[in-house]
Amino acid sequence: DAGVTQSPTHLIKTRGQQVTLRCSPISGHKSVSWYQQVLGQGPQFIFQYYEKEERGRGNFPDRFSARQFPNYSSELNVNALLLGDSALYLCASSWRQSSYEQYFGPGTRLTVT
Amino acid sequence: AQSVTQLGSHVSVSEGALVLLRCNYSSSVPPYLFWYVQYPNQGLQLLLKYTTGATLVKGINGFEAEFKKSETSFHLTKPSAHMSDAAEYFCAVSDRTGWGKFQFGAGTQVVVTP
Repeated sequence: DAGVTQSPTHLIKTRGQQVTLRCSPISGHKSVSWYQQVLGQGPQFIFQYYEKEERGRGNFPDRFSARQFPNYSSELNVNALLLGDSALYLCASSWRQSSYEQYFGPGTRLTVT
Repeated sequence: AQSVTQLGSHVSVSEGALVLLRCNYSSSVPPYLFWYVQYPNQGLQLLLKYTTGATLVKGINGFEAEFKKSETSFHLTKPSAHMSDAAEYFCAVSDRTGWGKFQFGAGTQVVVTP
């Protein structure tokens, strides 16, 4: 089975622009979580979605938003990009909301100039 | 609130030597505990996890970790380092309600020297 996939792999944006990152979970998984990993740090939780509803949100500004589609894929949107948004964005899927076992994708490397 | 502390941001070991990576957590209730490995330009791969039961857990690639409730620790070990173990290692916790929200440590970069 295919693992978690994310697109694009790399992205370069300018300050003030908007970006959309995409994630496809493992087949059969209904929960998707997003994490931001700034260089040299551990991943920070941004959102969890389960059955197309937001089920958890980390300490991130409203510029960050996400959604989950009927096929359980997900998009993360970031508006009004700041230099500090440069990071590796990781998507993780699990088969249900309360599952403690998450599978991570390879990430999208976002660079804001 | 939960927190995770990994002691040592960089660890250098000789090939064949013991690998020991330290992780301490802070939580009012023992959480689920995890170790992940991240190779350059890749996502996170689960090494092992502790949820319930035996406190010594074995994972992939010869790694194991022991949950010590009295010390609030979950240290990762491997008896004999291999060059392929060079990577960044993250300890993570999740509370037992699930919610898919992991709290990660800052990571420990492991360098293996010949």
